Amino acid sequence: AQSVTQLDSQVPVFEEAPVELRCNYSSSVSVYLFWYVQYPNQGLQLLLKYLSGSTLVKGINGFEAEFNKSQTSFHLRKPSVHISDTAEYFCAVLKAAGNKLTFGGGTRVLVKP
Amino acid sequence: DAGVIQSPRHEVTEMGQEVTLRCKPISGHNSLFWYRQTMMRGLELLIYFNNNVPIDDSGMPEDRFSAKMPNASFSTLKIQPSEPRDSAVYFCASRGQTWQANEKLFFGSGTQLSVL
Repeated sequence: AQSVTQLDSQVPVFEEAPVELRCNYSSSVSVYLFWYVQYPNQGLQLLLKYLSGSTLVKGINGFEAEFNKSQTSFHLRKPSVHISDTAEYFCAVLKAAGNKLTFGGGTRVLVKP
Repeated sequence: DAGVIQSPRHEVTEMGQEVTLRCKPISGHNSLFWYRQTMMRGLELLIYFNNNVPIDDSGMPEDRFSAKMPNASFSTLKIQPSEPRDSAVYFCASRGQTWQANEKLFFGSGTQLSVL
């Protein structure tokens, strides 16, 4: 079975500073990788996904993530955050050709002015 | 499209009562997922359906939980009897045919359940 670890449960960051959210996964088979964002009192929305091809994936709202197979990581980055980026971010893994999306524990990002 | 619709948004009930959560997936989507979110356990997949058929219910905590999908446009998650430890946000999500480049999981806004 696959599993996902998000190493940081909370990340405080100042507005316009860069942010990196770490995600590591484990799986014995090929996987697809996702980052979702959850704004307060809302459901999850897809930020970006890696299925195949280029290991650098660009998503919405200026976020990007890099798939590193040797390190089994899929870290999320944004060079300059806004107050509106305050949310919880979830990394998720899906076994290729599978159906069960497994989520990490989430990382709360608090952007301070 | 209205997206995935869940009802109610909030539910407060007393221990021992029956609770029914409802979900209307996006029209045309053929897979439906029920997730539970708590501070302690994060997001857990409870059960998912494909073409109205339950495929994997290994995440359902115990026999007090049951889920049905009588047709392609409606699903319910029932807890009977409810317990305080069932307090959580329950999300429904749906997706289309395959995990291809443009497919993704669409989430509802969730039902905040509080069992007193």
